[in-house]
Amino acid sequence: QKEVEQNSGPLSVPEGAIASLNCTYSDRGSQSFFWYRQYSGKSPELIMFIYSNGDKEDGRFTAQLNKASQYVSLLIRDSQPSDSATYLCAVSNGNKLVFGAGTILRVKS
Amino acid sequence: EAGVVQSPRYKIIEKKQPVAFWCNPISGHNTLYWYRQNLGQGPELLIRYENEEAVDDSQLPKDRFSAERLKGVDSTLKIQPAELGDSAVYLCASSGQYLNTEAFFGQGTRLTVV
Repeated sequence: QKEVEQNSGPLSVPEGAIASLNCTYSDRGSQSFFWYRQYSGKSPELIMFIYSNGDKEDGRFTAQLNKASQYVSLLIRDSQPSDSATYLCAVSNGNKLVFGAGTILRVKS
Repeated sequence: EAGVVQSPRYKIIEKKQPVAFWCNPISGHNTLYWYRQNLGQGPELLIRYENEEAVDDSQLPKDRFSAERLKGVDSTLKIQPAELGDSAVYLCASSGQYLNTEAFFGQGTRLTVV
């Protein structure tokens, strides 16, 4: 079992729709959870982090964390073509920061 | 504030040759990471430094890879000799004092071994 798992996609959504990206992790001791966006040929860019159960909103982005289910998600409202990228989920247990393989998101105009 | 700076951006070398990558982290960031990213995969940790100490190098192929972070600031990652399978993007990232703070990446070095 991989430490951090994501559906590779691609996830295709129409412009203006909500994109929902999901991530599960295996280490129950995980404390911090991050979402990075990576455009093709570029390095990962941090867009959200969440430490506590529940929702955290930042503009069009909402991160959701459920530690009991070992599940973290990212919602992107009013999706734009510029949101098309690979979204990487990263999880930290205080000793190491582990990344998932990423989900490709395609927003169609 | 300057971000994480890496050089070179691109490197093409023949197999069995040595290669080195350099990283300067964000000022004040004690934690420095080297990751390797293959096409279509997420970054995989090679080594993590806390100041000048390598605290996690369990995934570093020590027969050919080495790293150093003198004075706890910038860092160098070396491969000698390079193999075809080492072709990847090598990413450096840094974060604040505690591991749970967010990590910021440099632009990466794309290595091609021919």
